[in-house]
Amino acid sequence: SAVISQKPSRDICQRGTSLTIQCQVDSQVTMMFWYRQQPGQSLTLIATANQGSEATYESGFVIDKFPISRPNLTFSTLTVSNMSPEDSSIYLCSADFSPLGLSSYNEQFFGPGTRLTVL
Amino acid sequence: GQSLEQPSEVTAVEGAIVQINCTYQTSGFYGLSWYQQHDGGAPTFLSYNALDGLEETGRFSSFLSRSDSYGYLLLQELQMKDSASYFCAALEGGDKLIFGTGTRLQVFP
Repeated sequence: SAVISQKPSRDICQRGTSLTIQCQVDSQVTMMFWYRQQPGQSLTLIATANQGSEATYESGFVIDKFPISRPNLTFSTLTVSNMSPEDSSIYLCSADFSPLGLSSYNEQFFGPGTRLTVL
Repeated sequence: GQSLEQPSEVTAVEGAIVQINCTYQTSGFYGLSWYQQHDGGAPTFLSYNALDGLEETGRFSSFLSRSDSYGYLLLQELQMKDSASYFCAALEGGDKLIFGTGTRLQVFP
């Protein structure tokens, strides 16, 4: 198993400002992911973050709005820029702990999430 | 486009068996995962099916049929603590998960 922590756990922000969410994993992983989840809804993948390369964004998400850093194999940040009330959501990071080269198995561990409210 | 459809809600009583279905339409499909999420908590991994057939892990089993683009999660001997949301998720391109619409399970005494 793995332990993933996120900071902050929650925040209330004013529109037009930016918030950076940190995600720390207790062991080295190649792939980390960022999701958004509205309360009571499903998870939507924002981007995949690999160490040493640019993040890969899903349709509907752009780097200018959600810049991501991945400086090493245990840490990543997601910034929500120029926030609006529509950005109010829970933001989750996850890490892939599947054994490399083992295609028959896949498992991701998730952080506890950051609950963001934009006023 | 990509989509994974699940029933929005399922109810059952303690000790019963429930099946949560998932039909998917994705590209680059590698396998199907299931995650459990309690209110206010993080999703936790339950199972992963790379091949057709049934995978059993304790009280939970998961099934995949690639030809039918269909899978299900079977929960046996239901307990109150099983009340949660359950998500199927398709592994695409070997690395990223696309989550289904989610099913809220309520277990009653």
